Amino acid sequence: AQKVTQAQTEISVVEKEDVTLDCVYETRDTTYYLFWYKQPPSGELVFLIRRNSFDEQNEISGRYSWNFQKSTSSFNFTITASQVVDSAVYFCALIKAAGNKLTFGGGTRVLVKP
Amino acid sequence: DAMVIQNPRYQVTQFGKPVTLSCSQTLNHNVMYWYQQKSSQAPKLLFHYYDKDFNNEADTPDNFQSRRPNTSFCFLDIRSPGLGDAAMYLCATSSEDGGLYGYTFGSGTRLTVV
Repeated sequence: AQKVTQAQTEISVVEKEDVTLDCVYETRDTTYYLFWYKQPPSGELVFLIRRNSFDEQNEISGRYSWNFQKSTSSFNFTITASQVVDSAVYFCALIKAAGNKLTFGGGTRVLVKP
Repeated sequence: DAMVIQNPRYQVTQFGKPVTLSCSQTLNHNVMYWYQQKSSQAPKLLFHYYDKDFNNEADTPDNFQSRRPNTSFCFLDIRSPGLGDAAMYLCATSSEDGGLYGYTFGSGTRLTVV
């Protein structure tokens, strides 16, 4: 069975602070994919990144960066210099290769105060 | 733009009165999913269609049904909505390998049961 754990239920920061969201996963599959989604108050799920299990390179996209460590089964997400528009719920998710079921973590609500 | 469209955006239904939510896609994806997301929770997969093959999750209540008359459309029928069925319902699509090619989510239908 697959499991995704986001231990932080809510994080509150002041604008321009950095914030790191933790994601730990469990799977018996050797090939799998990890995702991060953003869900603003309007409700839609916005895709942020996909990473396959063989690619442990960290990635940076603007103010967003991701740290994938297979040895610790973690796929953490950092927002640098946070902005009020970053306020949302962020979900980490996992799926095995050729699978059809995306397993979500419980989500982390990020509140960025001006 | 190719996309996933859910109608209506907001739906209010009476307790026990059947309701249908719709999802359409222009991506020509093989797989269509329905997720239920209750307040402050992660999305939970109800079922998915792989082409015409229906795949129900083991814990999806019988009250929830789905139809996929063609590639483009998928419907979620709730036969007798209860107060506990109030949630955001998210439709998503993917090609055969969702992990490799990614998912596209609709904006969701927020269902209120009165």
